[in-house]
Amino acid sequence: RKEVEQDPGPFNVPEGATVAFNCTYSNSASQSFFWYRQDCRKEPKLLMSVYSSGNEDGRFTAQLNRASQYISLLIRDSKLSDSATYLCVVKGAGATNKLIFGTGTLLAVQP
Amino acid sequence: DGGITQSPKYLFRKEGQNVTLSCEQNLNHDAMYWYRQDPGQGLRLIYYSQIVNDFQKGDIAEGYSVSREKKESFPLTVTSAQKNPTAFYLCASNPTDWDNEQFFGPGTRLTVL
Repeated sequence: RKEVEQDPGPFNVPEGATVAFNCTYSNSASQSFFWYRQDCRKEPKLLMSVYSSGNEDGRFTAQLNRASQYISLLIRDSKLSDSATYLCVVKGAGATNKLIFGTGTLLAVQP
Repeated sequence: DGGITQSPKYLFRKEGQNVTLSCEQNLNHDAMYWYRQDPGQGLRLIYYSQIVNDFQKGDIAEGYSVSREKKESFPLTVTSAQKNPTAFYLCASNPTDWDNEQFFGPGTRLTVL
């Protein structure tokens, strides 16, 4: 089983749609969780951290369910500029504090 | 402007040749990392360095070597022992290894012919 698993997509949605991405992780001791965004042939950039209480940044909402080892990202009112690959990232626990990256979910917002 | 630079953006080499990828940062970060990214796979950690003059192997270090003689520089050598070197190579840094966010360079796309 992969340490971080995501649906690879692609998700093709019209502008203005709401889209949700899910991610599961295998290590129950993981401490920190993130969503990164990666544009085609570019480097990943941090989109937002994910907190246990859930957090929102404009049109983006991230949630964490520790019991189910599940992370989600919701994008409301999708824009063309949201088209990218969204990477679920988990930070290891204890001595292993390295970032572990999912394979990413490709989002294509259509006009 | 502070940031991470990687050069070159595209690199072509013949099979059997060693090649060194450059990574420089002027963010005064202690920790630096090298990842490779292949289609359909997540980023995989090759090597990392928590502080100057020290580095550790990541998950896929075989066929690679690094040095960290200066805080701002963390070059990666892809040796001829690396069986499948064609990939997108990303360098990253953060203030310390315990900080959460990693800042990435623009990447080098290596193609071995």
